[in-house]
Amino acid sequence: ELKVEQNPLFLSMQEGKNYTIYCNYSTTSDRLYWYRQDPGKSLESLFVLLSNGAVKQEGRLMASLDTKARLSTLHITAAVHDLSATYFCAVDIFGNEKLTFGTGTRLTIIP
Amino acid sequence: ETGVTQSPTHLIKTRGQQVTLRCSSQSGHNTVSWYQQALGQGPQFIFQYYREEENGRGNFPPRFSGLQFPNYSSELNVNAMELDDSALYLCAGGPKGATMVYGYTFGSGTRLTVV
Repeated sequence: ELKVEQNPLFLSMQEGKNYTIYCNYSTTSDRLYWYRQDPGKSLESLFVLLSNGAVKQEGRLMASLDTKARLSTLHITAAVHDLSATYFCAVDIFGNEKLTFGTGTRLTIIP
Repeated sequence: ETGVTQSPTHLIKTRGQQVTLRCSSQSGHNTVSWYQQALGQGPQFIFQYYREEENGRGNFPPRFSGLQFPNYSSELNVNAMELDDSALYLCAGGPKGATMVYGYTFGSGTRLTVV
């Protein structure tokens, strides 16, 4: 059974600081997704990572994938309040197109 | 119409009742998946439909069923509802295989409360 774990589960950080969210998964997969969810809202796609060593950046967020270590990271640079949300990673076994989500990381940025 | 639209946005039902949730996806979205997200948890895969046929199912009992229609709309039906069915139900659509590039497009969800 595929398991996806994120840490930390909760993260409170000050504006302007850097931090990293980790996503570990238990079965080989070449597809990893990062999503953002605001309270009571749906999921917003942030990144699609499709190969070992993939790195993508958008604004203050950067995601990377290490398929050998079965690890993805979401790095936040110089955090701002607007980044406060819950972040999920999700894994899709190749050809399956069915997502297994992590536990989520609730990020709160404090002014 | 673009994206994925779900209705209703909120719903309150009594335990034991049946409910139908609806999802409308844009032209070309021949794959639709449904997810259940309990409060404070990540979404859980319920099932997927491709070209109107079920194409995989998660760990959910048969009282969760679905349909996909030729006009790219779909339904999630839940029979004999239980209190634990209270959750946000999300629909995700897209052309098969395109998720590798664009990811999944999720609808805004239906918040179901069972009392």
